[in-house]
Amino acid sequence: EVHLQQSGAELVRPGTSVKLSCKVSGDTITACYMHFVKQRPGQGLEWIGRIDPEDDSTKFAEKFKNKATLTADTSSNTAYLRLSSLTSEDTATYFCTTDSGDDYVMDAWGQGASVTVSS
Amino acid sequence: DIQMTQSPSSMSVSLGDTVTITCRASQDVGIFVNWFQQKPGKSPRRVIYRATNLADGVPSRFSGSRSGSDYSLTISSLESEDVADYHCLQYDEYPFTFGSGTKLEIK
Repeated sequence: EVHLQQSGAELVRPGTSVKLSCKVSGDTITACYMHFVKQRPGQGLEWIGRIDPEDDSTKFAEKFKNKATLTADTSSNTAYLRLSSLTSEDTATYFCTTDSGDDYVMDAWGQGASVTVSS
Repeated sequence: DIQMTQSPSSMSVSLGDTVTITCRASQDVGIFVNWFQQKPGKSPRRVIYRATNLADGVPSRFSGSRSGSDYSLTISSLESEDVADYHCLQYDEYPFTFGSGTKLEIK
């Protein structure tokens, strides 16, 4: 069974960046795509993008193309989401989730990482 | 981008009720729709995949259906543990898109 362990809560200043991690256990990270999803307080889910750790190819929602960067380290079985030029609009919980084929899209989720942007 | 229009945004329900939540896709997404349950402070949990398939460990009172561009999640004989937020997702094409969510509350 795949388990995703995300990094802890972050309190960051406006204008700075933050890098969140998502460590995969129970399988090799190259066996699946890794997606990241944003949820603002009291709001719905928003797809940010995904990375294929096999070749580092990425897909993003348009609004995140200049905000988010996805990377993966196969040696540590970890995916990363970097958010830049942070504003209060980036205050949210960010989830990582796996995708290993049509029957397995978003079947495993990390516990979420809270990011608070405040001066 | 494909829009997933989810309704209702909230429902006041009683235990034992049958509940139906619907997402309408703005264009054809085939069978590539998942449903997720999310409890407060928790990660989403997949309950239905490929529109009609029950995910592992999910009670059989949950079911998914499709009629044209309308996708529905039905919970029969609602139990207290089912009170949560529910979200649909289309993954037919990028960018993946979620519905706006449905909050179930007890009357």
